[in-house]
Amino acid sequence: DSGVTQTPKHLITATGQRVTLRCSPRSGDLSVYWYQQSLDQGLQFLIHYYNGEERAKGNILERFSAQQFPDLHSELNLSSLELGDSALYFCASSVETRVNEQFFGPGTRLTVL
Amino acid sequence: AQSVAQPEDQVNVAEGNPLTVKCTYSVSGNPYLFWYVQYPNRGLQFLLKYITGDNLVKGSYGFEAEFNKSQTSFHLKKPSALVSDSALYFCAVRDMNRDDKIIFGKGTRLHILP
Repeated sequence: DSGVTQTPKHLITATGQRVTLRCSPRSGDLSVYWYQQSLDQGLQFLIHYYNGEERAKGNILERFSAQQFPDLHSELNLSSLELGDSALYFCASSVETRVNEQFFGPGTRLTVL
Repeated sequence: AQSVAQPEDQVNVAEGNPLTVKCTYSVSGNPYLFWYVQYPNRGLQFLLKYITGDNLVKGSYGFEAEFNKSQTSFHLKKPSALVSDSALYFCAVRDMNRDDKIIFGKGTRLHILP
C-alpha cells in the first residue's frame, strides 16, 4: 500500500459526459501528479500540482482540468468524454524535490461507452 | 526535448538466469533517472533511482541499474531472475535543470519462465 488513495476504482460512463476523479496523496506529500495509461499511448504525464499550484503540464487535453485543494487532495475533471478517453488514470504523490520518487495510487479505470 | 526509450516491448528470461531491461534517455542537462515496476491491476512501484555519484545503483527486490553517461543508458539488471519478477517495467527521466516534467518510457514486459 503506497498511502495514495484514488476514488472511484472503476467508472463507466457515456460519451459526452463529465466525470471527476479524486486523489488523496500520502500524508506530508505536497506534490500530486496525474497520469493516463492506455494500451496504445503507454503512460502519459498529464499535470503536476505542488501545494495547490500548477507546476507543469504534459499531454493534457483542453477538455481535461485538475486542481489541488488546501487539504492537498486533488481532482481530475474530464469533460465531453470520448471513447478514446477510456484508460487507467493514476495519481502519484511525492515529497517535492526533483530527486524524489513518486508513490502511485491504485488507479481509476474509466470506461467510456 | 526530454525522451526515454525502452527498445524492447518484451523480454523473456529463464528463472535463475540474469536479466537486463534496457533504457536510453535524452535530456539537455543532467538527468535524474528512475525505474518503476507495475504488477497486474496495480499502480507503479518505485524500484530505484540515479541522482549522482556511484554509477551502479542498488534498489528493491535485488534489482540494480547502471548509469552510463557516454551511452546515455540506464539499464536495469538482476543477477538471478525469479518468476515473481514478471511484470511491466518503466524507465523514467527528469531533467535536473528544467521544469517539473517527468517522462516515462513506454514500458517493457518482463516474462520469467519457470
